[in-house]
Amino acid sequence: EVQLLESGGGLVQPGGSLRLSCAASGFTFSSYAMSWVRQAPGKGLEWVSDISGGGGTTYYADSVKGRFTISTDNSKNTLYLQMNSLRAEDTAVYYCAKKEGGSCYSATGVWGQGTTVTVSS
Amino acid sequence: DIVMTQSPDSLAVSLGERATINCKSSQSVLFSSNNKNHLVWYQQKAGQPPKLLIYWASTRESGVPDRFSGSGSGTDFTLTISSLQAEDVAVYYCQQYYSTPFTFGPGTKVNIK
Repeated sequence: EVQLLESGGGLVQPGGSLRLSCAASGFTFSSYAMSWVRQAPGKGLEWVSDISGGGGTTYYADSVKGRFTISTDNSKNTLYLQMNSLRAEDTAVYYCAKKEGGSCYSATGVWGQGTTVTVSS
Repeated sequence: DIVMTQSPDSLAVSLGERATINCKSSQSVLFSSNNKNHLVWYQQKAGQPPKLLIYWASTRESGVPDRFSGSGSGTDFTLTISSLQAEDVAVYYCQQYYSTPFTFGPGTKVNIK
């Protein structure tokens, strides 16, 4: 069974940093592209970033480009999102998700339960 | 960027009746190299993460009840729930994975009338 478990969320001041982690199990992690998607309180879904299977290609939403970095550690079957220069508008539940193939141009299949990031002074 | 719109914003349907949700993309999401529409539908129930229902615009994910179906091509797509059940109360989102950023529609809230 595919499982994704996010961690690392919390309360951070504007301008601060957080690193989110997503521990994956139940599939060959390095073979699949992975995503981060966020949802601000009471709002819709916003795609944040993708990384291809193997980690060779990354994509970012303009709203986070230059501030967030997506990465993987295949030895630990873990996906990361390093978030720097955080802003109030980054406040959201952050979901880790597995794509259906190694390419980022595939559907997002399984989602984690999410981790909450709150940016506030 | 491809802009995704959905209609209606919300709808209330009687149990056992049909629910139809529309999704429109600002440009075609039909990929010529594989002749597939890069369009998915998700269901999100309150307090839960999204769940994949339909991919390639019309392929039902394994385990999804067959009352859910997707149709359309190019820029216009439809999610149909043929006979609404109580457990289908949720927000439904479409998303394109044709080009980055992989944009979502704003969602359609489905309730029981």
